[in-house]
Amino acid sequence: EVQLLESGGGSVQPGGSLRLSCAASGFSFSNHAMTWVRQAPGKGLEWVSSISVSGATTFYSDSVKGRFTISRDNSNNTLYLQMNSLRVEDAAIYYCAKSPKRVIAYFDFWGQGTLLAVSS
Amino acid sequence: DIHLTQSPTTLSASVGDRVTITCRASQSLDTWLAWYQHKPGKAPNLLIFQASSLGPGVPPRFSGSGSGTVFTLTISSLQPDDLATYYCQQYNNNWTFGQGTKVELK
Repeated sequence: EVQLLESGGGSVQPGGSLRLSCAASGFSFSNHAMTWVRQAPGKGLEWVSSISVSGATTFYSDSVKGRFTISRDNSNNTLYLQMNSLRVEDAAIYYCAKSPKRVIAYFDFWGQGTLLAVSS
Repeated sequence: DIHLTQSPTTLSASVGDRVTITCRASQSLDTWLAWYQHKPGKAPNLLIFQASSLGPGVPPRFSGSGSGTVFTLTISSLQPDDLATYYCQQYNNNWTFGQGTKVELK
């Protein structure tokens, strides 16, 4: 059974940092591109960042570029999102999602999400 | 960046109704479009990929069509379990989502 379990969410002040994790199981993690998607309160889904199977290629939305870093540990089947210089507008539920193949495309399975609150 | 516009924003329908949601893209996507169902507190669920291919385990009352810049998601007979927000997503040029369509009971 495919499982994606996000963790690491919490409450931080503006300017702070946090690292999210996504533990994967039930599939060959190293053979699938991975992505972070977020949903701010009362808003829709927003693509945040994606990473290739090797981790060598990464992509970021303009809203997080230069502040967030996506990475993966294929030996431990874990996806990460390091978030620095956090802003109030980064508050959201963060979902990790897998692509069906090595190519980043659509997302065939999602985790339940982890909540980030940013306020002073 | 490719922008996706969904219509309507909110849709009120009765159980058994045929429901159609439209997604319009700011430039051609060929058929690189997916649809998701999202219920509060749950993980989003893939419904359709490649504009018209049914996702794994998705009931056949869901269908997708379109190519280029106009796409539709159709629920042939609305069921109570289908009350949710629906999103289109393009993967032709990076990745973006539509703003969502909330399906409510009339």
